[in-house]
Amino acid sequence: KNEVEQSPQNLTAQEGEFITINCSYSVGISALHWLQQHPGGGIVSLFMLSSGKKKHGRLIATINIQEKHSSLHITASHPRDSAVYICAANTGNQFYFGTGTSLTVIP
Amino acid sequence: DGGITQSPKYLFRKEGQNVTLSCEQNLNHDAMYWYRQDPGQGLRLIYYSQIVNDFQKGDIAEGYSVSREKKESFPLTVTSAQKNPTAFYLCATGDRGIYGYTFGSGTRLTVV
Repeated sequence: KNEVEQSPQNLTAQEGEFITINCSYSVGISALHWLQQHPGGGIVSLFMLSSGKKKHGRLIATINIQEKHSSLHITASHPRDSAVYICAANTGNQFYFGTGTSLTVIP
Repeated sequence: DGGITQSPKYLFRKEGQNVTLSCEQNLNHDAMYWYRQDPGQGLRLIYYSQIVNDFQKGDIAEGYSVSREKKESFPLTVTSAQKNPTAFYLCATGDRGIYGYTFGSGTRLTVV
């Protein structure tokens, strides 16, 4: 069993839709990270969370420490949001990565 | 601009040859990491270094070697002992608390 599970694996949405990607983890964490990987392969760090909620533009990340669950929301989705989104649990000693959610936003 | 430079972006090598992937950073981060990514799998840790002249094996270190002679540089050598070297390789850096975590753009290695 993976320490970090993401769902869904693949997601297709129409432009403008509200999108939610879920992440569950089984390890104790010091922080939970959401990463974005574009088709070229490079990865960008979107959020680092240890509690509550963070917002950056149209992106919102939430975490429930008791339930060991985090969600990434995208409001008013746009084709440029198409990418793979990866959840990563930081235990303080190492990272555990989810396998990613591949998002395609259709115009 | 501060960041990580990985080169080259694409690399082709013949089976049995060693190949070295470059990772350079100007973020002044102490820690540097090498990850491997395969289709359908999460990133897996190959090696990491918390300080110059010191490095530790990750989960899948067999067939790889690294050096950390300078703070800015953490090259990864994929040796002929690595049985399945074709993959996407990502370098990352972090500050002492790991919170400042930055990824490079990756190198896609294909062994033919």
